[in-house]
Amino acid sequence: DSGVTQTPKHLITATGQRVTLRCSPRSGDLSVYWYQQSLDQGLQFLIHYYNGEERAKGNILERFSAQQFPDLHSELNLSSLELGDSALYFCASSVGAGGQETQYFGPGTRLLVL
Amino acid sequence: GESVGLHLPTLSVQEGDNSIINCAYSNSASDYFIWYKQESGKGPQFIIDIRSNMDKRQGQRVTVLLNKTVKHLSLQIAATQPGDSAVYFCAEDSYNQGGKLIFGQGTELSVKP
Repeated sequence: DSGVTQTPKHLITATGQRVTLRCSPRSGDLSVYWYQQSLDQGLQFLIHYYNGEERAKGNILERFSAQQFPDLHSELNLSSLELGDSALYFCASSVGAGGQETQYFGPGTRLLVL
Repeated sequence: GESVGLHLPTLSVQEGDNSIINCAYSNSASDYFIWYKQESGKGPQFIIDIRSNMDKRQGQRVTVLLNKTVKHLSLQIAATQPGDSAVYFCAEDSYNQGGKLIFGQGTELSVKP
């Protein structure tokens, strides 16, 4: 158990809908990262927040957004869902601002868009 | 052509043998490297890391080797056990990338009892 928690574990929804994925980092960690793992693209970085502020963005779609709250938990919002958004979404956390830090991953949320 | 899914390299070993998993990384500016293990239905689990000022680091039953000249990483697992069966990913980072890990495609390790 990494200490990173994610909810829900599974999510099934329809195209066009909006969902929110939630992540709580390990105790004491200030950074939260979101990754997408799909069959054809592997593990891809989406976005990084440090202490409430956005630090880095990857190839995150405009339909996706995230935020980190004062209690350091983070939410990833996915809207206007398409079939291709079906994937595993992982959250990771690290102690500092990132860069040469170990990232610890949560168990993931499996999203299926029908 | 159209992608129909990642075809992971597979390594099959006998229980008790040593395993070597290789990874070529992409960015010559990367200065931090991590190996993760991912079991089916779970998130990536940290195994071992190495910084670019080192060429070898050992953990419990695992060793990571770094060759910066050819941008190559390897993970050696000693006395491989059935519980080691999983997909193994290398990931690279750099101080100025700020935590944006770039993952390799992964290698599936299968351990035969």
